[in-house]
Amino acid sequence: DVKVTQSSRYLVKRTGEKVFLECVQDMDHENMFWYRQDPGLGLRLIYFSYDVKMKEKGDIPEGYSVSREKKERFSLILESASTNQTSMYLCASSPQPGQGKDTQYFGPGTRLTVL
Amino acid sequence: AQSVSQHNHHVILSEAASLELGCNYSYGGTVNLFWYVQYPGQHLQLLLKYFSGDPLVKGIKGFEAEFIKSKFSFNLRKPSVQWSDTAEYFCAVNAMNTGFQKLVFGTGTRLLVSP
Repeated sequence: DVKVTQSSRYLVKRTGEKVFLECVQDMDHENMFWYRQDPGLGLRLIYFSYDVKMKEKGDIPEGYSVSREKKERFSLILESASTNQTSMYLCASSPQPGQGKDTQYFGPGTRLTVL
Repeated sequence: AQSVSQHNHHVILSEAASLELGCNYSYGGTVNLFWYVQYPGQHLQLLLKYFSGDPLVKGIKGFEAEFIKSKFSFNLRKPSVQWSDTAEYFCAVNAMNTGFQKLVFGTGTRLLVSP
């Protein structure tokens, strides 16, 4: 089974702190994604990556950056956390894209609270 | 703007009732369609997907969905729900005209099945 793990289930940070969310997948998938999930808004794509050191902006990249130094690891960085970044963050991975038919496999999520 | 709409935000059913959750999208051209489910405390996981061929797709746990191209719809159905179907359900679409790069999610439908 594909396993996507996220470094923390719950995280509490203060406004202005730099926050790192880590995601690791164990299935040698090419693609990795970061979403945030908010009630009534569903999942919104923050950033995604098709390869090591490659990144693409999603729909809501403002206030975030990412890093993919190794194929299995995709990090989401909040340079200066703000209260409106309080959310559930989901990481996902999928195999090499084949016309968008790939299933995405999700991690358990990190619930981030910014005070 | 291109989007995915789930009109039912909350649905409450009794066990053995039939279920239909609506999903409409606004993308033209070729699309790939997905339903994901998030059971309480669990990862988001794939329920079923449609790429081409028979527009009636069967997924896990007795769920099925019908792609109606003329209506831009991909509604999820189950003839008889169980208490264990209590979950949040997300419709998702990726489209050729966005290079199949992004999976766009609807806002989700929370289903509560009472025993």
